[in-house]
Amino acid sequence: ETGVTQSPTHLIKTRGQQVTLRCSSQSGHNTVSWYQQALGQGPQFIFQYYREEENGRGNFPPRFSGLQFPNYSSELNVNALELDDSALYLCASSLAGTGSNYGYTFGSGTRLTVV
Amino acid sequence: AQSVTQLDSQVPVFEEAPVELRCNYSSSVSVYLFWYVQYPNQGLQLLLKYLSGSTLVKGINGFEAEFNKSQTSFHLRKPSVHISDTAEYFCAVIPTDSWGKLQFGAGTQVVVTP
Repeated sequence: ETGVTQSPTHLIKTRGQQVTLRCSSQSGHNTVSWYQQALGQGPQFIFQYYREEENGRGNFPPRFSGLQFPNYSSELNVNALELDDSALYLCASSLAGTGSNYGYTFGSGTRLTVV
Repeated sequence: AQSVTQLDSQVPVFEEAPVELRCNYSSSVSVYLFWYVQYPNQGLQLLLKYLSGSTLVKGINGFEAEFNKSQTSFHLRKPSVHISDTAEYFCAVIPTDSWGKLQFGAGTQVVVTP
């Protein structure tokens, strides 16, 4: 198993800028989910991609968008950054469909600070 | 809609003592249940999960949890903790009629002291 890797590990951006976070899924996993974890809180679901299509979204505005690529790597893009976007962003991969046992593998996250 | 409540925000415990972390949930449909651990500056690691079958679930690092459907609870226990168990613990659910979105509680910080 290769695990889930996220890049960069830390990032500082200015309010109003745009940011792209990257995730490389665990080998064989066809689904990727993104979560936002504000300081002192539990992770909040942003959205999920299955076979390059978004198949679920949480209560986040459209300026949060994503992509999943054929090799199952993915991106989270956030436009017009706000101070409240400062958080740890977690990527999780899993195998959906027949045989799924909800075995999510999380990456170590990207710590985004908006100033 | 679902919600997950972790009843304790912080649990101090002495090394080699037992610990119990409480989790209650509400849901209009059946759910799958999970406990994750997060060490400082790291992502989430799965401790254990309940999908079906025996209500007593054993996980990694000596942790176990019991699913109680009537009380809608899924409390996590460890009979003897180590300093290395100091971490944040999250309870989470996935509704059985959903496509796998994890909904987390706010977390319980466990601090183990000698």
